[in-house]
Amino acid sequence: GAVVSQHPSRVICKSGTSVKIECRSLDFQATTMFWYRQFPKQSLMLMATSNEGSKATYEQGVEKDKFLINHASLTLSTLTVTSAHPEDSSFYICSARGQLDPRGGQETQYFGPGTRLLVL
Amino acid sequence: SQQGEEDPQALSIQEGENATMNCSYKTSINNLQWYRQNSGRGLVHLILIRSNEREKHSGRLRVTLDTSKKSSSLLITASRAADTASYFCATDNTGNQFYFGTGTSLTVIP
Repeated sequence: GAVVSQHPSRVICKSGTSVKIECRSLDFQATTMFWYRQFPKQSLMLMATSNEGSKATYEQGVEKDKFLINHASLTLSTLTVTSAHPEDSSFYICSARGQLDPRGGQETQYFGPGTRLLVL
Repeated sequence: SQQGEEDPQALSIQEGENATMNCSYKTSINNLQWYRQNSGRGLVHLILIRSNEREKHSGRLRVTLDTSKKSSSLLITASRAADTASYFCATDNTGNQFYFGTGTSLTVIP
């Protein structure tokens, strides 16, 4: 079953509004969470990396004031697209890094199902 | 960004044929993963191969990894129309960063 969930799966909003997307790791604690953006027919581009309790690290070219990331707990990260505009319309995917087996083992990265944002 | 490059970008085959996709990357890795994405949908994890492994199988999928050449291949045998999708490789590098390749768009013609 899914180990990472995203909510909402799809959102339509008016230009100028802010949209919050949640990413949750299910049944494991995520030491790190990542946010990606995907344009139609293109690959995923890493936007930012966040560790619980600290500020996110943004990739070059990603506006941190535009895309606010909060990693409030080991199982929840949120991405807020502030003052969204039509060019922000995209598919946003989060991933969570951790160990599914609490007894140990190598960490790996698990992806959420994605959130499709359409800004009118 | 340190993305992988995939080859070919697009592949069209007849149902029943085998499909091979290649991925090259730039940095040392902990593991490499292959994902599938149907049009407009989320990612589906297919297979993970660790840096100390050379080959791995899962059903009709076979993945190879050559760390000396920094490359991996995904083979889908006896393809089906339902295999039509985009396939991405993703590298989990030793800096705990995770990057996706450019993807191969596979079309399987019934």
